[in-house]
Amino acid sequence: GQQLNQSPQSMFIQEGEDVSMNCTSSSIFNTWLWYKQEPGEGPVLLIALYKAGELTSNGRLTAQFGITRKDSFLNISASIPSDVGIYFCAGQLRRSSGSARQLTFGSGTQLTVLP
Amino acid sequence: DTGVSQDPRHKITKRGQNVTFRCDPISEHNRLYWYRQTLGQGPEFLTYFQNEAQLEKSRLLSDRFSAERPKGSFSTLEIQRTEQGDSAMYLCASSLDLLGRGLGQYFGPGTRLTVT
Repeated sequence: GQQLNQSPQSMFIQEGEDVSMNCTSSSIFNTWLWYKQEPGEGPVLLIALYKAGELTSNGRLTAQFGITRKDSFLNISASIPSDVGIYFCAGQLRRSSGSARQLTFGSGTQLTVLP
Repeated sequence: DTGVSQDPRHKITKRGQNVTFRCDPISEHNRLYWYRQTLGQGPEFLTYFQNEAQLEKSRLLSDRFSAERPKGSFSTLEIQRTEQGDSAMYLCASSLDLLGRGLGQYFGPGTRLTVT
């Protein structure tokens, strides 16, 4: 089946630093999504990307859909303590009819922000 | 709160017992998904519904698992004869998918199942 490789697995950064994480796939997707999950909670949608090459921002978060459709990255600028959590990428492949299919998730990047 | 809700949030059961979880999606969403997540991993797809029709099931969904969405609104996931390997977080998500234009899947808080 499809596999998503997400890196790094974990990051320890100082408050105020910028963060970058990425996701690569062995096959193409036509939608990329980034989620954040905190302990005991479900993933929360941060950014959705629908077109190859698309660059989208949500506050301090910026994500890009790779041109090859096999990768995506997420940047967080000027990190703050509440950015702590696990960040997941997820790819989605739409059927030829246009209807969406299930998400395939990466294994997550654990982010720790040190004061 | 108009987000996805799940009940119960936690369930502890003995091996061999049956359990049932409920998911209430965002009201205008026509698609409902079930995922399972184990520690240190991302969620893995189990099954999804378009309105009341169950359109796809993962190989992870053994015969002991059954899901329903009888009126196209809430959904239930039942696990029969639970095994210790069923211990996981069970996540429900919903989305609005019209003419192929999806707007992302929104997740509930999950049900944490522990099988002893």
